[in-house]
Amino acid sequence: RKEVEQDPGPFNVPEGATVAFNCTYSNSASQSFFWYRQDCRKEPKLLMSVYSSGNEDGRFTAQLNRASQYISLLIRDSKLSDSATYLCAVNMGPNDYKLSFGAGTTVTVRA
Amino acid sequence: DTGVSQDPRHKITKRGQNVTFRCDPISEHNRLYWYRQTLGQGPEFLTYFQNEAQLEKSRLLSDRFSAERPKGSFSTLEIQRTEQGDSAMYLCASSFSPGQGHYGYTFGSGTRLTVV
Repeated sequence: RKEVEQDPGPFNVPEGATVAFNCTYSNSASQSFFWYRQDCRKEPKLLMSVYSSGNEDGRFTAQLNRASQYISLLIRDSKLSDSATYLCAVNMGPNDYKLSFGAGTTVTVRA
Repeated sequence: DTGVSQDPRHKITKRGQNVTFRCDPISEHNRLYWYRQTLGQGPEFLTYFQNEAQLEKSRLLSDRFSAERPKGSFSTLEIQRTEQGDSAMYLCASSFSPGQGHYGYTFGSGTRLTVV
């Protein structure tokens, strides 16, 4: 089983729609969780950390489900500019400072 | 200091040649990471440094790959006797992690390597 798995998509949604997708991780000891955004042929950029209680940043909401070992990202009121690949990143334990990345979920927002 | 800098941005090399990439992290960051990314995949961990100490290397890092971070500042990644399978984007990232806790990485723009 891969350490971090994501639905590759693509999720093709109209402007204004809500889109949500998950990322599962294999190690129950993981403690740090992040969502990154990556545009085509660019570097990943940190979108948001994921906290145990869930957190929101504008139109983006991230949640953590430890029991089922997944994190989720929800994008409300999608904009054309939200079109990108979204990577989840997870560490594999409390003393693990490296992050393992999923292969990404591609979101395309259409006019 | 506006971010993580990588040089060169692009490198085309012939199979069998050696290449070296450089990464300048954010100056306040104590950890530096190298990743490799191919099309359609997420970044794959190669190695990381805490200050000047190389703390972990992936099994992906064959003996043709070597990384250094002299004096805990910039880092270099060298690939000897390049193979076509080495073609990828090589990403450097840095982070600041005071004790416990993880605040995520900042990535550089990457070096895109093409081996012909």
